Amino acid sequence: DAKTTQPPSMDCAEGRAANLPCNHSTISGNEYVYWYRQIHSQGPQYIIHGLKNNETNEMASLIITEDRKSSTLILPHATLRDTAVYYCIVALYNQGGKLIFGQGTELSVKP
Amino acid sequence: EAGVAQSPRYKIIEKRQSVAFWCNPISGHATLYWYQQILGQGPKLLIQFQNNGVVDDSQLPKDRFSAERLKGVDSTLKIQPAKLEDSAVYLCASSRTLYEQYFGPGTRLTVT
Repeated sequence: DAKTTQPPSMDCAEGRAANLPCNHSTISGNEYVYWYRQIHSQGPQYIIHGLKNNETNEMASLIITEDRKSSTLILPHATLRDTAVYYCIVALYNQGGKLIFGQGTELSVKP
Repeated sequence: EAGVAQSPRYKIIEKRQSVAFWCNPISGHATLYWYQQILGQGPKLLIQFQNNGVVDDSQLPKDRFSAERLKGVDSTLKIQPAKLEDSAVYLCASSRTLYEQYFGPGTRLTVT
């Protein structure tokens, strides 16, 4: 079973920041938080990952709470092309290949 | 760089028939994965290869599914015989690092 909890769906206005929450209250000290997304009819795409510090790359920012029990993926300026299912996954770094996908959050970016 | 290639993109077969899917990973990626994604669910890992050796096949239904990765490059996934519940998208992914997997477009299998 997936070790994360995400809202099933969210809406976001185009151009605004999209903040996708993830609860992982049972995360262990050496488990990382990974985010992937899946655009309709495509394979999943890696977005970002982190352990305890906040991370940022060209696609998104990852904010992890101090107790590491939850995190938020931020898309700073959402576009229509960001409409997708977003998956939050926790896994050991050396098992980053063994990703257990849950149901994810279906993000709809609306004009 | 070229992405992960998969073929065919679509396949329709009758139950009890056999089917095979092919995957060509990104050049230089030692790790290759096969996932099954049933409609409305997240992908589920079936098997993971490191070069041509199996790392994890704990979720592979070995009575009907088989996979191989000859020479550590291309891979094939076979189902024999197929059941109705095998209808799904079969995704292949490859990686060079532990954290970033690159997925192909998938093969949509319909078993009637």
